[in-house]
Amino acid sequence: DAMVIQNPRYQVTQFGKPVTLSCSQTLNHNVMYWYQQKSSQAPKLLFHYYDKDFNNEADTPDNFQSRRPNTSFCFLDIRSPGLGDAAMYLCATSISLAGTKNIQYFGAGTRLSVL
Amino acid sequence: QKEVEQNSGPLSVPEGAIASLNCTYSDRVSQSFFWYRQYSGKSPELIMSIYSNGDKEDGRFTAQLNKASQYVSLLIRDSQPSDSATYLCAVRTGGATNKLIFGTGTLLAVQP
Repeated sequence: DAMVIQNPRYQVTQFGKPVTLSCSQTLNHNVMYWYQQKSSQAPKLLFHYYDKDFNNEADTPDNFQSRRPNTSFCFLDIRSPGLGDAAMYLCATSISLAGTKNIQYFGAGTRLSVL
Repeated sequence: QKEVEQNSGPLSVPEGAIASLNCTYSDRVSQSFFWYRQYSGKSPELIMSIYSNGDKEDGRFTAQLNKASQYVSLLIRDSQPSDSATYLCAVRTGGATNKLIFGTGTLLAVQP
């Protein structure tokens, strides 16, 4: 059974048209992450939520926003997608507790195309 | 700038051989290390985690860690064509939020 679920798997949007990607998890993990991965590159962390606390990476463009309405769901909003935002977007979760191994589990990803 | 370095490859090995994948990291205080396998167009899948110096074996996979040399490796025994993928090395940074720094990955090609 899928534990970190991303929807949609493929998303096509137009240049400048807002788009929202979603992630849900059944693991009850308290930390959720969004990564951007371009071809032949390492996943790049955009931001993460530690419980309800939002943590933005210093080099994440303002064009990228996120919402976490509850423990299970997290959204990535791209306000005005540019051609350079075409990438695979990966959601991951982990549980951050003393004594745990803090392993990150990834969803299947959403492939975003910008026309 | 904390970094994780990997040889991008491709690393080509014949079926049945041992594949050796290497990774170095710059942050000396790193404590947790992970190997993820990523098939083309798919998301990363955890293969191995290692936290202390030495070897850790799981089936055909062995992770090796040398903190003094800031070096972690992954050995795949009896390589199969289905092992052909990109292998990402990831290192956990300090702090409670468990951020990972990924290398760019090594592309492994197992030739039948």
